[in-house]
Amino acid sequence: AQSVTQPDIHITVSEGASLELRCNYSYGATPYLFWYVQSPGQGLQLLLKYFSGDTLVQGIKGFEAEFKRSQSSFNLRKPSVHWSDAAEYFCAVGVIRDDKIIFGKGTRLHILP
Amino acid sequence: EAQVTQNPRYLITVTGKKLTVTCSQNMNHEYMSWYRQDPGLGLRQIYYSMNVEVTDKGDVPEGYKVSRKEKRNFPLILESPSPNQTSLYFCASSKGNLNTEAFFGQGTRLTVV
Repeated sequence: AQSVTQPDIHITVSEGASLELRCNYSYGATPYLFWYVQSPGQGLQLLLKYFSGDTLVQGIKGFEAEFKRSQSSFNLRKPSVHWSDAAEYFCAVGVIRDDKIIFGKGTRLHILP
Repeated sequence: EAQVTQNPRYLITVTGKKLTVTCSQNMNHEYMSWYRQDPGLGLRQIYYSMNVEVTDKGDVPEGYKVSRKEKRNFPLILESPSPNQTSLYFCASSKGNLNTEAFFGQGTRLTVV
């Protein structure tokens, strides 16, 4: 069955430090992959997406993600985090056969001043 | 401004009292869906609609109903709410289904006592 795993429930980094949020998926074909961010009290906003082509995708707010087929991963990165990046981050995979998107359980990012 | 509007944002109700959460989008999107978000479980899809008069069950449809009489509106109906439906609910819309950005409403926090 298709699934999305975000191994880290919480991550804490210092402001200015680099960030990597992990995402692994289970899917039989090349998936559609997404990262969304949810700020406190808000809905989800798309950060970036991967459908095909260049495996390193750039998104908004200085985020990027790399699709690695061999590792079934789509990790989110940012070279230097800002206090405003504190939020919950969701990885998601589009399941073509079932015509739906499956979300991971989320990773909550905390930023130390 | 492109947006998905949910109402109400907060609702406290009693067990068994029928309620409707409205969702409206102004982007002429075909695809709309409802999710519930619970701690540790991420987002789970309740129902989705690929167009007017076309709706289908998601992963957790029990206890919910939807309708899609107009393209812009996709209300979520709880005929007889129960405490296990206490949750944060999100409506989302997108132009297509999987390969386009989903726009989310700000959420409705429902408490059933």
